[in-house]
Amino acid sequence: SYELTQPPSVSVSPGQTARITCSADILPKQYAHWYQQKPGQAPVVIIYKDTERPSGVPERFSGSSSGTVVTLTISGVQAEDEADYYCQSADNSGTEVVFGGGTKLTVL
Amino acid sequence: EVQLVQSGAEVKKSGESLRISCQASGYTFTRYWLGWVRQKPGKGPEWMGFIYPRDSDTRHSPSLQGQVTLSADKSINTVYLQWSSLKASDTAIYYCARRSESYWGFDYWGQGSQVTVSS
Repeated sequence: SYELTQPPSVSVSPGQTARITCSADILPKQYAHWYQQKPGQAPVVIIYKDTERPSGVPERFSGSSSGTVVTLTISGVQAEDEADYYCQSADNSGTEVVFGGGTKLTVL
Repeated sequence: EVQLVQSGAEVKKSGESLRISCQASGYTFTRYWLGWVRQKPGKGPEWMGFIYPRDSDTRHSPSLQGQVTLSADKSINTVYLQWSSLKASDTAIYYCARRSESYWGFDYWGQGSQVTVSS
């Protein structure tokens, strides 16, 4: 068992760059995925397999990975990006799926 | 268009049983794992388990093993999450979500089912 550690909150002004990290010793061995969740809505995947962006997700969302830390970067943050962001990882057989505790992004 | 449509909100008492559903459409139901994810008030998502509708193979979160039952009905493209005896701590929004074909994560989500259990 392991935990994915995220900062509870990140604040940026519109147009700035927001970076949200997710760390765990397991991450060099497993992919991480990122979800955006707005109030009253289901999560939506915005980055998968560390760096891949699903079709329809704006290009300002990107992912990177370095050792035990994966990072979600939002370039040119917009007011509509204010949401909770969760990282998630899993083993290769789907027997252990873990979500991070979440990061609340506030757009000032 | 992939859609996961879940059953409506439920209000129950401790000790009662409950089954909620998730009906899939827009893709071949038997080709993808479907998962259940719990989100308690003010908390992050928590994975509960997966079911593979083709043969009802399941994966359970070790922390929730034995507390819920996952099942599927291929004839109506529907998966179920069932409790035999609810507790107040089961109060949460429950999401079904489709496992991606290429990674153990979720590419489509249902709208969520609110379950409220009073003691």
